[in-house]
Amino acid sequence: EIVMTQTPATLSVSPGERATLSCRASQSISTNLVWYQQKPGQAPRLLIYGASTRATGIPARFSGSGSGTEFTLTISSLQSEDFAVYYCQQYKNWPRTFGQGTKVEIK
Amino acid sequence: QVQLVQSGAEVKKPGSSVKVSCRASGGTFSNFVISWVRQAPGQGLEWVGGIIPIFETANYAQKFQGRITFTADASTGTAYMELSSLRLEDTAVYYCARPAQHCTGGSCSSAWFDPWGQGTLVTVSS
Repeated sequence: EIVMTQTPATLSVSPGERATLSCRASQSISTNLVWYQQKPGQAPRLLIYGASTRATGIPARFSGSGSGTEFTLTISSLQSEDFAVYYCQQYKNWPRTFGQGTKVEIK
Repeated sequence: QVQLVQSGAEVKKPGSSVKVSCRASGGTFSNFVISWVRQAPGQGLEWVGGIIPIFETANYAQKFQGRITFTADASTGTAYMELSSLRLEDTAVYYCARPAQHCTGGSCSSAWFDPWGQGTLVTVSS
């Protein structure tokens, strides 16, 4: 099973600042990676697929990069609605596995 | 636009079973794959498994072997997940989701999950 490790566990950021979240895979997954956003009491929402392609309706301030084992989600200028938990997930191998999440909180 | 609506919260005793439903609208159900992902309280996401109704085939995470059953009723556009021999640690929100199909080298498989149902809280408590 591919283990996905996200860092940091919690990221404190002021509104308007940039947030950089990391996700590492235990083996190469090429660009078979997605990012989700989850707010309390809600289902996850797809942000990025193929490591760098924004899903429909996702603002341009969200960007993804990386390949192989190292991936990054960047939120260029945090808005109030962006404070949430973010998960990465690989779809290279079965079972599909998720990182443990990074909580982006207001500084 | 596909929408997934799940059944309501359940409270179960250890050792019993629970069956959660997921009704799909806005698409051709027989072409769907339905996956299930769970989230324990305050924890991350865990893929449980999924079913391809048109082929009546399913796959699931190894840890659920022998305890999980996926079924589907195309006439109502509803998929079901039944988990038996419930344990306290099965307490979680169970989500159904439609996985996108990712194709490489002529073969396709379920990749990421979008959209998701609203989730069903299953509480296992004595």
